[in-house]
Parts: sequence; structure tokens; C-alpha cells
Amino acid sequence: DTAVSQTPKYLVTQMGNDKSIKCEQNLGHDTMYWYKQDSKKFLKIMFSYNNKELIINETVPNRFSPKSPDKAHLNLHINSLELGDSAVYFCASSQDRQSEQFFGPGTRLTVL
Amino acid sequence: AQSVAQPEDQVNVAEGNPLTVKCTYSVSGNPYLFWYVQYPNRGLQFLLKYITGDNLVKGSYGFEAEFNKSQTSFHLKKPSALVSDSALYFCAVRARYNDYKLSFGAGTTVTVRA
Repeated sequence: DTAVSQTPKYLVTQMGNDKSIKCEQNLGHDTMYWYKQDSKKFLKIMFSYNNKELIINETVPNRFSPKSPDKAHLNLHINSLELGDSAVYFCASSQDRQSEQFFGPGTRLTVL
Repeated sequence: AQSVAQPEDQVNVAEGNPLTVKCTYSVSGNPYLFWYVQYPNRGLQFLLKYITGDNLVKGSYGFEAEFNKSQTSFHLKKPSALVSDSALYFCAVRARYNDYKLSFGAGTTVTVRA
């Protein structure tokens, strides 16, 4: 009955590979987010979708592409992975613009 | 633009003592303010929020925060800290005109010693 789930939890890959991270929420929320947490624990918003529409697209390399097949899912695809992409990626969701966000457990991406 | 400052990287307190984690913000207009906690290797958990109304907000696990508009602060407090409160705490702000983008502070590591 996990509210926001992410797969995989750990992802180790080589430079230049393409990988995807999946996120699902069973809270019935309309808005979903992707955050990147770097090695210093700093959190930065990457993308946000509301009702499958992209509403936040921060300054992120275009190697990163989010996809929302439906309101309950927001996936993150990363092309041509680089060393600097190593981080923990968090998915989150919220009911509306005033509400708190619920975070997934995170995906630790390590690029070798 | 909106931003959050958490001036202390670390806060150390003894169990049973009061705990305060500081947060100041910068935003145009009225803010929405949030506190989250992150335990090691876990996602962020929501503690409390200020949207409007009473400046003193009570949240989960005995935490509270006071919104001070003149000082643009939203400090997190707990009257009596527990060892289990040891974690990383994030303050976050969103401007009311900015519907969805939440800006986080750099985080404050709280260590409560027994």
C-alpha cells in the first residue's frame, strides 16, 4: 500500500548508457514531480506534470525526458548517461497547488 | 524568485532539551511554507505547513513552527527532543503566484545525543 513507489531503488550503469526510472502513486493526486538530490543533499526540482501536462521544466539537460502515460505514473528517461548524473532521484506527488508533496523512497543512480 | 536559507548545517542537542531548526525565506508576496524530514536512505516526509491563518503551526511527531512575516522566518521547534529525531530537515517555500514549484533549503542535520 505504498503511496509513492519508484523502481529501481538502485541503478548502477556505465557512462553513455540509457536508463529509465519509473514512478507510480496510488494517492489519486493530479500532480507529480521529479527531484534530483546531489551528494551534498541539495534538492532541486527537475520536472512536474499536472494531469499529464508538463508544467515545470527546469534547466535540465535534454538528455533527461519525463513521460507521463497517465496521472498515476511519471517516468524519467535518461540518455547518454554522464558521471555527473550520479545522484538520488526522488519522485513526488501532491493533490493540488496548496498541498504538501509526498515523496517516493528514491532511486540511487551511480554512473561509472 | 524564491529562496530558502537554513543558516545552520548542523544542530546538536541533548535528548530532552528543546530543539530549534532555523529557516528564513525570500519570496514575492505571501508564501506557502513547509518542513520536511529525511531519515538516512529514505525519502522526504512531510512534517507541517503554513498556508494561512494562525502563525503557529503544529505538525507531526510533536513538531511546531512559527511563521513570522516581519522577519521572513519559519523556524521549526520541538519542546523536548528525542534521539529518534536525529535526521536531515528541509525547509521549503513556494510563492502563492507560483503554483507548483517548491524551493528547498540546503538542509540542517539534527543530532540528538542520549
